[in-house]
Amino acid sequence: AQSVTQLDSQVPVFEEAPVELRCNYSSSVSVYLFWYVQYPNQGLQLLLKYLSGSTLVKGINGFEAEFNKSQTSFHLRKPSVHISDTAEYFCAVRPSGGYQKVTFGIGTKLQVIP
Amino acid sequence: SAVISQKPSRDICQRGTSLTIQCQVDSQVTMMFWYRQQPGQSLTLIATANQGSEATYESGFVIDKFPISRPNLTFSTLTVSNMSPEDSSIYLCSVESGWNTIYFGEGSWLTVV
Repeated sequence: AQSVTQLDSQVPVFEEAPVELRCNYSSSVSVYLFWYVQYPNQGLQLLLKYLSGSTLVKGINGFEAEFNKSQTSFHLRKPSVHISDTAEYFCAVRPSGGYQKVTFGIGTKLQVIP
Repeated sequence: SAVISQKPSRDICQRGTSLTIQCQVDSQVTMMFWYRQQPGQSLTLIATANQGSEATYESGFVIDKFPISRPNLTFSTLTVSNMSPEDSSIYLCSVESGWNTIYFGEGSWLTVV
C-alpha cells in the first residue's frame, strides 16, 4: 500500500513571492506522482505529473515539481505566485504498472495575500 | 485529456431520498471512477466502474448505498441512496485517459437537509 503526506495544511504567501508545497510519499514499489489543483467551488484539475524520465516536471500556470526518489518527495514550486493561484493543491501517488488505485494527500490550501 | 461532464452540478436533497448523478465523457474510456470529497477533506475512492461488469467497491462503500451503472464506454451513473446529512459531499467522476493519468469532472455538490 502507498501513502501520501502533505506536510502543510495551509500556506499563506504574499503575491509575487515564491512558494513550495511539500509532498512526501511512501511506497514499496515504483510510483507515478501527480499534483492536482482545486479552485474554489470547482472540481480537480491536473497540474502536472511524473511518470518517468526527467525528475523535474513542468506543469500548467508556471508550476513545477521535482521527483526525489531518495527522499521520496515530490514538492511543488512556483517562483512567483499570483492571486489567482489561491486554491487547494492535492498530491497523489499511484503504483506504476497496470491499473492501480490512486491515493490522495489531504491537500494544502495556498492563500495568496495581495 | 478527456472532457468530463457531470449532472447535476449542485443539489439540495431531503434526507431519506435518493439522487442519481450522471457522468458523460467525450471519448471512450475503459475505466471510470467515482470519488467522494467530504467537506474539508481529501478524496476517497468509492468504486471503479468498467463497462460490462459490476462495479468494484472500496472498503466502507456498498452497492446498496451507492449503486453504479456503466452502460457504455462514455457514460456512468452513481446513485446515493437513502441519503442522510452525512452524505453531504462533493461527488466526483473521473476517468483514466492517455497514459496512466486520471482526469476529473467538475463534481456534483450535494447537500442533504
